[in-house]
Amino acid sequence: GNSVTQMEGPVTLSEEAFLTINCTYTATGYPSLFWYVQYPGEGLQLLLKATKADDKGSNKGFEATYRKETTSFHLEKGSVQVSDSAVYFCALGSGYSTLTFGKGTMLLVSP
Amino acid sequence: DSGVTQTPKHLITATGQRVTLRCSPRSGDLSVYWYQQSLDQGLQFLIHYYNGEERAKGNILERFSAQQFPDLHSELNLSSLELGDSALYFCASSPGAGEGNTIYFGEGSWLTVV
Repeated sequence: GNSVTQMEGPVTLSEEAFLTINCTYTATGYPSLFWYVQYPGEGLQLLLKATKADDKGSNKGFEATYRKETTSFHLEKGSVQVSDSAVYFCALGSGYSTLTFGKGTMLLVSP
Repeated sequence: DSGVTQTPKHLITATGQRVTLRCSPRSGDLSVYWYQQSLDQGLQFLIHYYNGEERAKGNILERFSAQQFPDLHSELNLSSLELGDSALYFCASSPGAGEGNTIYFGEGSWLTVV
């Protein structure tokens, strides 16, 4: 079946540091890949997505590239801010668009 | 604001009781999904409806049921509640049912069973 594996958190960074959150997946066929973000006390928000191999999703300075050869979709940001502190979920969509989520990675950014 | 509306936002109830969570999808979206988020299980897919019909079932307990009405809003019914049912329940919607559809989440309904 489908599965998503994310690096465990929390990831603790200082403001303006470079961020990478690793995500790998197992799926049949050609899934779509997503990153969602959950700020404290809020719901899930779509951050970015990619629907085919080599696509790069980007939003708010975050980027992720769909790598079919390594079955990965790592999230990166060049310079994090305190306001980026949240839980980040990698997800895979296939079939009838039901999403399979990773366990989430908490990011804590200090000033 | 995703456009997906869930009510109630918070709910406290006793074991053995039954509750109904309500969801209004984004305007024009035909698919509604329900997810459960808990500390030990993470985000679990429960069920998916498309234009009133059940399309996929995930880890939904038999004590739970859902439906999507002709106006496309959906309800998740949770019965014979147990302490372990305490969780954040998300509703989400998307325009269609195919792969690649972006799914938009509501802010969730916090259920506490005491």
